[in-house]
Amino acid sequence: QAVVTQPSSLSASPGASASLTCTLRSDVNVDTYRIYWYQQRPGSPPQYLLRYRSDSDKQQGSGVPGRFSGSKDLSANAGILVISGLQSEDEADYYCLIWHNSAWVFGGGTKLTVL
Amino acid sequence: QVQLVQSGTEVKKPGASVRVSCKTSGYTFSSYGISWVRQAPGQGPEWLGWISGYNGITDYAQKFQGRVTMTTDTSTSTAYLDLKNLTFDDTAVYYCARTYDSSASSPNDWGQGTLVTV
Repeated sequence: QAVVTQPSSLSASPGASASLTCTLRSDVNVDTYRIYWYQQRPGSPPQYLLRYRSDSDKQQGSGVPGRFSGSKDLSANAGILVISGLQSEDEADYYCLIWHNSAWVFGGGTKLTVL
Repeated sequence: QVQLVQSGTEVKKPGASVRVSCKTSGYTFSSYGISWVRQAPGQGPEWLGWISGYNGITDYAQKFQGRVTMTTDTSTSTAYLDLKNLTFDDTAVYYCARTYDSSASSPNDWGQGTLVTV
């Protein structure tokens, strides 16, 4: 089973909020991990959005709007990227990343459609 | 501003080797590291490893050990990725990325990518 799992797709309406999940394998406790989030538009490299471990340990990427935020659902063992006030330009692939067993591990990504 | 400019598209035969370069500018090269990440068509990114811009120390993902070599040229602020014994599964876009700090930290600023087709 993969260490990090993301739903393959998600759709949401303009102006609404979207919650993208990054679920860790059950033996990997999300509470102890920093979760990093990236946005990737077609034909472009991933762009760093933010990292989140807790409300006291978080960082926003340079120039990243405040409507992108991170959180965790400990009961689901998942990190969450919340995008509020969805805009058409938010339509992209989103990847989470963790440092696990001395290596960086990416999730498979979620394709967000704004329609 | 921070820039990472990678070399151009490569087409290789199975069993061959490839070198991808990553020329950086806009920051002090020795104060950060460079991670290499690849992305196969339709797949999520995959981390290959990291090299220190300060002293050339490397940390390779276990999957690629023995097949990958990362080096730097501090005189030109350029990082290099060498991958040998290529197979069809190595077809991907290869990215270099400046790490958050001098350690093997998260990749933050990315190059434009280099397509390697095997």
